[in-house]
Amino acid sequence: EVQLLESGGGLVQPGGSLRISCAASGFTFSSYTMNWVRQSPGKGLEWVASISSGGHIYDAESVRGRFSISRDNDKSTLYLQMNSLRAEDTAVYYCAKDTEHGSGSYCFDHWGQGVLVTVSS
Amino acid sequence: QSVLIQPPSVSGTPGQRVTISCSGSTSNVGIKTVNWYQHVPGTAPKLLVHSDNDRPSGVPDRFSGYKSGTSASLAISGLQSEDEADYYCASWDDSLSGWVFGGGTRLTVL
Repeated sequence: EVQLLESGGGLVQPGGSLRISCAASGFTFSSYTMNWVRQSPGKGLEWVASISSGGHIYDAESVRGRFSISRDNDKSTLYLQMNSLRAEDTAVYYCAKDTEHGSGSYCFDHWGQGVLVTVSS
Repeated sequence: QSVLIQPPSVSGTPGQRVTISCSGSTSNVGIKTVNWYQHVPGTAPKLLVHSDNDRPSGVPDRFSGYKSGTSASLAISGLQSEDEADYYCASWDDSLSGWVFGGGTRLTVL
């Protein structure tokens, strides 16, 4: 059974830093693209960043230069390093596993329960 | 303003059929597949439809996805109270080199 467990959330001051993690199990972690998606209070889902099995990274313009996605395949763990945090980064952050359905079709087939990050003074 | 446009809310009575639209452009829905997710606040989002119209195993056939040109839709037939949730469409955007989501549609079962 695929399991994704996020951790490391909490309260941080504006301008501060935080690293959140996602521990994966139940599949060959190193073979899959992994993603971070967030949901700010009262708003919809927003894609944050993706890292492929080969380490190729894509990220949203809203976090570019401030957030960094990484992975440790030996530990089956995904990370999101968040720097220069702003109030608008307050959100529940979800880890999501990618899967390919052929012909270039991809989706997020498993999601974690999410971790809350609050940016406030 | 989300890149993919969805109605903020839809509603229906038990047993009815409802549809949720998702309008995109030639850089996303028009050239890439669309996925649909169901999200009950406080829980993990769930994949409902992938590749425009395929359902993962375990998803009831009451849920169907459609796509034509730059628009997609999700149809839910035989509406049930447990279908109350937020529904999101998503697609890869070649111009942005990233995933884009719709703003979400809140389904209320009256």
